[in-house]
Amino acid sequence: AQSVSQHNHHVILSEAASLELGCNYSYGGTVNLFWYVQYPGQHLQLLLKYFSGDPLVKGIKGFEAEFIKSKFSFNLRKPSVQWSDTAEYFCAVNYPGEGKLIFGQGTELSVKP
Amino acid sequence: DGGITQSPKYLFRKEGQNVTLSCEQNLNHDAMYWYRQDPGQGLRLIYYSQIVNDFQKGDIAEGYSVSREKKESFPLTVTSAQKNPTAFYLCASSGRAEAFFGQGTRLTVV
Repeated sequence: AQSVSQHNHHVILSEAASLELGCNYSYGGTVNLFWYVQYPGQHLQLLLKYFSGDPLVKGIKGFEAEFIKSKFSFNLRKPSVQWSDTAEYFCAVNYPGEGKLIFGQGTELSVKP
Repeated sequence: DGGITQSPKYLFRKEGQNVTLSCEQNLNHDAMYWYRQDPGQGLRLIYYSQIVNDFQKGDIAEGYSVSREKKESFPLTVTSAQKNPTAFYLCASSGRAEAFFGQGTRLTVV
């Protein structure tokens, strides 16, 4: 079955630390990849997306992600986190041929000021 | 103002009753989705629909039902067969790009 795995359930960082959140998906065909963020009390928002082309994707608020097809991975990175990045982050995979959009378990990020 | 509207925001029901959660979108999206969000389990797909009058089961469809009679609407019914219905439910829609989400409905069954 198709699945998405996020390896880190809860990450705690100090401000200015670098961030990398892992995401792997199980399906080897054509996929579209997304990272969403959910700030406390708010609805899910898109951080960035990959459909095709340059595997290094830049999103909002200084986030970027790299698609590595051979590893079925789409890891999220940010060079220097801020307290305002405290949120839950979700990796998602869309399988265009099937219309499914599947999410990982989420990673809760806490940034200490 | 375009977007996805879920109503109500909070819903309380007695055990054994069916309850229907509303989801409406005015984004002209073909695809719509229902997810259940529980702490530590992420968003789990309940049902999805790519086109009017057609929908498919997701990973946790048991105890739920949906309809897609109009492009704009994708209501979810939580039936009495759902063993653990208390949860936060999210509806989403997508066109050719990313999905957009509603604010969610928190259902509490007592």
